[in-house]
Amino acid sequence: GAGVSQSPSNKVTEKGKDVELRCDPISGHTALYWYRQSLGQGLEFLIYFQGNSAPDKSGLPSDRFSAERTGGSVSTLTIQRTQQEDSAVYLCASSYSGTGTPDTQYFGPGTRLTVL
Amino acid sequence: DQQVKQNSPSLSVQEGRISILNCDYTNSMFDYFLWYKKYPAEGPTFLISISSIKDKNEDGRFTVFLNKSAKHLSLHIVPSQPGDSAVYFCAARDSGGSNYKLTFGKGTLLTVNP
Repeated sequence: GAGVSQSPSNKVTEKGKDVELRCDPISGHTALYWYRQSLGQGLEFLIYFQGNSAPDKSGLPSDRFSAERTGGSVSTLTIQRTQQEDSAVYLCASSYSGTGTPDTQYFGPGTRLTVL
Repeated sequence: DQQVKQNSPSLSVQEGRISILNCDYTNSMFDYFLWYKKYPAEGPTFLISISSIKDKNEDGRFTVFLNKSAKHLSLHIVPSQPGDSAVYFCAARDSGGSNYKLTFGKGTLLTVNP
C-alpha cells in the first residue's frame, strides 16, 4: 500500500517568501505529525493532529508557522516570511491512532527547504 | 537542553561483526524508547522499541538493552550487514507528557563495510 507522501521533495525560496509543504498520510491513519530536522540535529516535534481534536501546536517555533489538516487527511504546513534558520528537512508522519502505547509512526521522505 | 543524547555521530563496523549504538537520556519520566533507521532521502522507519519495565527486547538481528539506573540504552545488531548502513535515531516518550510526542537524539551514522 501507499506510504506517507510529501511534496515538494525540495523547495528553494528567498528569505521573506511564504512556503507551503504538503503531506498525504497513509489512508485510515487518524494521527498526523510534523517534525523538523535541522542540519546536525535530531527530529524536532512541531505539531500533532488527531482526528477532529484540536491540534497540539506546542512545537511550532514561532507564529510564522501554521498547519492545517483538511477532512482528516491531507495536511499543509505553511511558513510565512521565511528566514534562513527555517532551512531544514520537514518530515511528516502518520499513525493509526496516536493513542495508547506509542503508535508506530510512519514517516514520509521529507521536504528539504532551503531559504536563501 | 538535550534530553536524548547520541554521543557518537558515526560508527564504522566490519560486515559480520556486532554494531553497538548507544543512547543516553536525562529525563527519568521517559517510559518508552524506540529506535528508528533512516536511509538518505527517505523518512525514518521504525526498527525496535522497549518499554521501561523491561531491560531487553530482541527482534531477529536487533536487540535493544535498557539500563534504567544508568539512563542508558543500546541497540545491538548482530551480525551487521552492509544494508544496515544508515542513520539510527534513538527516541523516547515522556510518561508525564503527551503519549504521542517523541524526543529524538541527533542520530548515529552506521557504516558497515563489506
